[in-house]
Order: sequence, then C-alpha cells, then structure tokens
Amino acid sequence: DTGVSQNPRHKITKRGQNVTFRCDPISEHNRLYWYRQTLGQGPEFLTYFQNEAQLEKSRLLSDRFSAERPKGSFSTLEIQRTEQGDSAMYLCASRATGASGANVLTFGAGSRLTVL
Amino acid sequence: SQKIEQNSEALNIQEGKTATLTCNYTNYSPAYLQWYRQDPGRGPVFLLLIRENEKEKRKERLKVTFDTTLKQSLFHITASQPADSATYLCALASNFGNEKLTFGTGTRLTIIP
Repeated sequence: DTGVSQNPRHKITKRGQNVTFRCDPISEHNRLYWYRQTLGQGPEFLTYFQNEAQLEKSRLLSDRFSAERPKGSFSTLEIQRTEQGDSAMYLCASRATGASGANVLTFGAGSRLTVL
Repeated sequence: SQKIEQNSEALNIQEGKTATLTCNYTNYSPAYLQWYRQDPGRGPVFLLLIRENEKEKRKERLKVTFDTTLKQSLFHITASQPADSATYLCALASNFGNEKLTFGTGTRLTIIP
C-alpha cells in the first residue's frame, strides 16, 4: 500500500483520557500535515512538518495537543485530557516538495475520535 | 474575516446532466484553488488545481473555472454518473509558500439515476 496510512481508524474514549493517533505518510513525502474535520465542516489545519521539524501550528492546537515526527517518517498526534469538543475526524496528509510549490495533498482515511 | 462559502449543503442532479458547484471566497487573495472529493468515512482526494492566472482547467469530465474578480470558482461535472455522488470541497492557499490550505464546508452531491 503506497498511500497514507492512519491508525486507529476509530477511537472511542472517555473524557479526560489521553489518546494517540499515528500517521504513516507516503515514504518519499517529506511534508506531513494534520487536519481536523468535524461533521458538516471542511478540514481545518492543525500543524505540519517538514521532515522531523514542526514548522507551523494552528491556534486550534491547544496545549493539550502535541504532534511529533521524530525520525521524519511516521507522525503521532496525542491529545491529553480529552474533552467532548475534541470529537472529530483527524486527518493526516503528506506531499513531496515539488517544483510547483503548490500544496497538493494526499490524505489518509482519517482517525475518528469520539469522546464520551 | 476570511470566508469560503460553497453553494448549498446538498445538490441533487439527474444522471447524465451537468453538475455545477460553486465556491465563493471573501477577504482572500488566493494564489491557487483546489477541488477535492470526499466519500463518507474517507479522507479528501485531490481532483484539480487552478492558479490565479488561469481561467479554466479541464480533466476528463471535470472542469474548473476561476474568476478572481468575482472571487469565485465553479466546478463542473459533465455527463454525471451515480458514482460521482460525494462531497466536494474547495480549498485555497494564499501563496505558493503557504503550507496551510483553507477548506470550504463542502457540497454534498447526489446523482440520481
């Protein structure tokens, strides 16, 4: 499978618990992105990495959220002390740095989080 | 504030007709605009990109137009098929160095056999 892989696909947790999502991008893609999508809305940018460096974070990414990409390959997104408002689909995307510079993304299938 | 609006949450079109989806934006000067398709429970899939200096782009049965004066993009699917039923999202980037895409809320298209 040469696409973007996300695990787990679904996660149900109780409020206050920590959760972690993993993203495996396309292997030759050096840029990796996290987006969040709630029902009926478009994806919202959370953060992105170039290789292992986290270069931009949205204001949506509160202190309870942390993302890492330690070796410039897979990435994890951790949410601590989950709240019901964190319930959403968490989408990972990747791309290679191309000559055009246009940000055309390949998305994974997403990890759906439900906080009870 | 910056805003992206996509016409109607849902659009029903008879099979074989042309489906036209609209993306309007305000307080934005995008360098390019993209259209993605999203099926239920899946991530968006890239379809087409059009730059600010391009008026029209085509790919098979798909056509995108971009009018920076009207601040609008139209997305057309000709000879629509039930398999085209999905949610279609437009996304903007302010410039080619901007890694952040801003998405519209999407239009759910249903092609009726």
